[in-house]
Amino acid sequence: GQNIDQPTEMTATEGAIVQINCTYQTSGFNGLFWYQQHAGEAPTFLSYNVLDGLEEKGRFSSFLSRSKGYSYLLLKELQMKDSASYLCAVSYAGNNRKLIWGLGTSLAVNP
Amino acid sequence: IAGITQAPTSQILAAGRRMTLRCTQDMRHNAMYWYRQDLGLGLRLIHYSNTAGTTGKGEVPDGYSVSRANTDDFPLTLASAVPSQTSVYFCASSPGLAGVNEQFFGPGTRLTVL
Repeated sequence: GQNIDQPTEMTATEGAIVQINCTYQTSGFNGLFWYQQHAGEAPTFLSYNVLDGLEEKGRFSSFLSRSKGYSYLLLKELQMKDSASYLCAVSYAGNNRKLIWGLGTSLAVNP
Repeated sequence: IAGITQAPTSQILAAGRRMTLRCTQDMRHNAMYWYRQDLGLGLRLIHYSNTAGTTGKGEVPDGYSVSRANTDDFPLTLASAVPSQTSVYFCASSPGLAGVNEQFFGPGTRLTVL
C-alpha cells in the first residue's frame, strides 16, 4: 500500500512553533503537498515539495527528505486562527493526477 | 463565478432516493475529482476525470456514478442513496498538466441520508 502517516492530534501555545510530521512510502514518490482545513471548510493548499530541503512561505515552512520518506510542516509564531487540521498528501509516479491523503493532524492552538 | 462551486450546500435525503451533486469550475482545469470525507477516515477518492469525456474509479466508487460531458462540469450521482453515504462531499480540480498539480477544492456538500 501507500500509507501516509501523521499524528492524529497536536496542541501548542499561541506564539510558539510547532512541527507536524508526515511519513510515506518512498517507492515511486513524485511530490508532496500540505493542505490546511478549518472545521466545516474545504482543504486549502499550503505548500508543495518535490526536491529535498526546506520551502519557506511566511510563517509556514515545509521540509522534505525523499530518501527517508519524511516531511514536516513547520508553523511559526502560532496564532489562534492556525487551529485547524493539516493534511499531508503524496503523488506517486504513474498516478500523478491522483493524490494519496493522510488522515490529517488536528492542531489546537491555546492562548 | 471564480474557482469551483458545488450545489447544494447541504441536503437531507430519504434512503432509496436518487440524488445528483453538482460541481462546476471556471478555471479550465483538465482534471476533476470527487471525494468524501468522514471522521476518522480522511479524504477518500470516489471518482475522477483526467479530461473531458473520460472518467475513472477511485478508492470507494460503489453506489456512485459520474459523467464529464464538458470541461467545466462534473456531477456525482447517487442512484439509490443509503445511510452509509451520509458524508461531506468535496469536488476538486487541478490543471492536469504534465507533472504534479495542486488540487483546488469546492466548498463541499453535506449530505445526510435517513
